[in-house]
Amino acid sequence: GAGVSQSPRYKVAKRGQDVALRCDPISGHVSLFWYQQALGQGPEFLTYFQNEAQLDKSGLPSDRFFAERPEGSVSTLKIQRTQQEDSAVYLCASSLDGSRGFLENIQYFGAGTRLSVL
Amino acid sequence: QKEVEQNSGPLSVPEGAIASLNCTYSDRGSQSFFWYRQYSGKSPELIMFIYSNGDKEDGRFTAQLNKASQYVSLLIRDSQPSDSATYLCAPRGSQGNLIFGKGTKLSVKP
Repeated sequence: GAGVSQSPRYKVAKRGQDVALRCDPISGHVSLFWYQQALGQGPEFLTYFQNEAQLDKSGLPSDRFFAERPEGSVSTLKIQRTQQEDSAVYLCASSLDGSRGFLENIQYFGAGTRLSVL
Repeated sequence: QKEVEQNSGPLSVPEGAIASLNCTYSDRGSQSFFWYRQYSGKSPELIMFIYSNGDKEDGRFTAQLNKASQYVSLLIRDSQPSDSATYLCAPRGSQGNLIFGKGTKLSVKP
């Protein structure tokens, strides 16, 4: 299938380590979103890309979080100096074009990366 | 702070019954609304979306929207044990991101 692909599926990090999470969106999807889902909670928005432009990063919890999408396709979410409170599932979603009509807004989610910080 | 409120449940219904899931939202600017289903340990999958006031039906699912009351609901008819999951209500924000509630956990008992 040609769904949203995320890697790794699971990541264990020691506190203070840097991690990089990868998202490969559905081919042709212009919009890409990152969400963080803590245990028992709904996903919370982190950041949004339209092609390679990061249009909204208001949800990034601190300056330790950084995301990029240099060629408008694959995106990487980087977390520096990980803390225990960063432990969560990180979800990536893509849509045809978030700036257009309703059908183009439908977001399709990847399987997520479960990050555990020890 | 834009908020989405859902009853966290668990909501327990017998097999074959109607399950009613409710959601209220604070952002009057939201124009489209999405219901996602999330099985334990899995990612959200889209069930329905709605953007006009009234009802929208798709198989056993009916979404209802009342923008004046800032209220969205999802009805599941003839509930099946396979419907047991957490249901997430998500209005679309002004930047295109989804604003999720905490979800309602539904349990359908055989």
